[in-house]
Amino acid sequence: NAGVTQTPKFQVLKTGQSMTLQCAQDMNHEYMSWYRQDPGMGLRLIHYSVGAGITDQGEVPNGYNVSRSTTEDFPLRLLSAAPSQTSVYFCASRPRRLSEAGTEAFFGQGTRLTVV
Amino acid sequence: DQQVKQNSPSLSVQEGRISILNCDYTNSMFDYFLWYKKYPAEGPTFLISISSIKDKNEDGRFTVFLNKSAKHLSLHIVPSQPGDSAVYFCAASPSNAGNNRKLIWGLGTSLAVNP
Repeated sequence: NAGVTQTPKFQVLKTGQSMTLQCAQDMNHEYMSWYRQDPGMGLRLIHYSVGAGITDQGEVPNGYNVSRSTTEDFPLRLLSAAPSQTSVYFCASRPRRLSEAGTEAFFGQGTRLTVV
Repeated sequence: DQQVKQNSPSLSVQEGRISILNCDYTNSMFDYFLWYKKYPAEGPTFLISISSIKDKNEDGRFTVFLNKSAKHLSLHIVPSQPGDSAVYFCAASPSNAGNNRKLIWGLGTSLAVNP
């Protein structure tokens, strides 16, 4: 019962480098999202997807790209890393419909990214 | 502008006593509220939720109260245990977003339960 799996757990990049943060879920959830968590800023939504082939921007999308070719996978791409992208990144998935039954979001363990 | 506010960045309580974590919101379209707990170096985990048709939801030691007129909710933990020490996030979801609802998050309250 893996839930939401994020890789890598830690990454150091040089400014200008690109990389992809991987996220996979095995719960057949339609809705997947990427957040970043910075000190004093809470969780901010970067991009989200309501199903395969459908993505949309969240609160802080600049500098990031996403795609959703399968239900299971939702990778986050940093095209040209900047020090401002130093953060902890969380991937989450849930069924599309929120309800009183508690179809809450499940989070991965996070990726700690440092851009130098 | 923060639509979900957790005005206390930190809270310290003694083991066995009650912990009360507060959350205020500004958007009257929010109709579903959730609390998450986060330990260091881990992702947030779901704790308890409440919909706006209720004013209380209880799950073991955890109870969430919702006061819609005051746009306020609180999480009560009774009795508090050292393992409850974590950051607690309040999140809300608006009813006018259909099935593609996003969660709006507070900044979190760090709870320390002292033995």
